[in-house]
Amino acid sequence: NAGVTQTPKFRVLKTGQSMTLLCAQDMNHEYMYWYRQDPGMGLRLIHYSVGEGTTAKGEVPDGYNVSRLKKQNFLLGLESAAPSQTSVYFCASTIDRARRETQYFGPGTRLLVL
Amino acid sequence: KQEVTQIPAALSVPEGENLVLNCSFTDSAIYNLQWFRQDPGKGLTSLLLIQSSQREQTSGRLNASLDKSSGRSTLYIAASQPGDSATYLCAVGKGGANNLFFGTGTRLTVIP
Repeated sequence: NAGVTQTPKFRVLKTGQSMTLLCAQDMNHEYMYWYRQDPGMGLRLIHYSVGEGTTAKGEVPDGYNVSRLKKQNFLLGLESAAPSQTSVYFCASTIDRARRETQYFGPGTRLLVL
Repeated sequence: KQEVTQIPAALSVPEGENLVLNCSFTDSAIYNLQWFRQDPGKGLTSLLLIQSSQREQTSGRLNASLDKSSGRSTLYIAASQPGDSATYLCAVGKGGANNLFFGTGTRLTVIP
């Protein structure tokens, strides 16, 4: 099993550009999450999904959209990137017994917005 | 709003020493508490998960405790090794999908 994979690993954007981050998991997990990690802030939840076709807002959802068209994939979109979105983005997944199981994290995507 | 604090922010110890990392949280209505390890430029690896009804969990040289009523957890590392050098993150789970709220971490350096 590859676990949780993220594409791309690193990206540089100009202000106003758009992009999509892809998260894929091969563990048949129901729940998937997107977090961002900033220095001195810890990881913060952006959006999450409890199953195919569902999405919900987390702690810091503004400026991001998500989609879960397939169970194994969770996409994070930036429609108009801003320098404040420079961060490291982590995807995570877990089985449907979310309260009893840990979340498995991908390796992260480093995004720099100029 | 759940606030999670980790003290100290950084810690340097000689190899073989036992050490304790601290985590505190403001809202005791949690499902569980987890400790993760993060190596530079890498993702997070789960170390221990403690359910809200449990008091502690052990894995090898690691022992984590949870006092939900006081909003505190500790991670005890016995006989530290240079390979333990990493950032250790504490996270509490709550909400419909066990959404995690993270502390800012403790960066541990074990000196050979």
